[in-house]
Amino acid sequence: DAKTTQPPSMDCAEGRAANLPCNHSTISGNEYVYWYRQIHSQGPQYIIHGLKNNETNEMASLIITEDRKSSTLILPHATLRDTAVYYCIVGGSGSARQLTFGSGTQLTVLP
Amino acid sequence: DTAVSQTPKYLVTQMGNDKSIKCEQNLGHDTMYWYKQDSKKFLKIMFSYNNKELIINETVPNRFSPKSPDKAHLNLHINSLELGDSAVYFCASSQAGALTGGYTFGSGTRLTVV
Repeated sequence: DAKTTQPPSMDCAEGRAANLPCNHSTISGNEYVYWYRQIHSQGPQYIIHGLKNNETNEMASLIITEDRKSSTLILPHATLRDTAVYYCIVGGSGSARQLTFGSGTQLTVLP
Repeated sequence: DTAVSQTPKYLVTQMGNDKSIKCEQNLGHDTMYWYKQDSKKFLKIMFSYNNKELIINETVPNRFSPKSPDKAHLNLHINSLELGDSAVYFCASSQAGALTGGYTFGSGTRLTVV
């Protein structure tokens, strides 16, 4: 049911930017792009979401292409604590919105 | 101060038993969810409640029965537990509206059926 495609794994050097790509070519006009991460054995953690415009918060930046068919999550200065599975999800914003998690990208930050 | 709390954190039980997992959120959210994460790490939604009303009920055996006594609580009762029910169960909550994107998840309940 997942509507997104992500690489299964990526490595990043500590202190460098981590750029995690996501393809969502079938996204519809009212669907948002959400990013979550799950650090081992913990509950998923919300990172950021966006509709059309690029977004930035204290955790990350989200770059959405103009055609909205892909996006990139950027962790500007990755730390060892950012090692986690990162999920890119598309979904609606209504009261019954349902987020369907795919297999995500295992990001490993290397010292 | 925990936003979404689940109890118990670990649950080991024998096949055929009935068990419950409790979830409470203190965020004032109007929607709560139960997700199941199996051994392959896929997170699948099971149920969703909005203001105490069931709005999503995925293909889940009817041995699983959610109960929402108020909008801050969503408990999960499981009858006649089977080996295949072993998984980590996550409760989550959210607030409807386009400007609030995030679900807040609990720390999970690891259920082991032996």
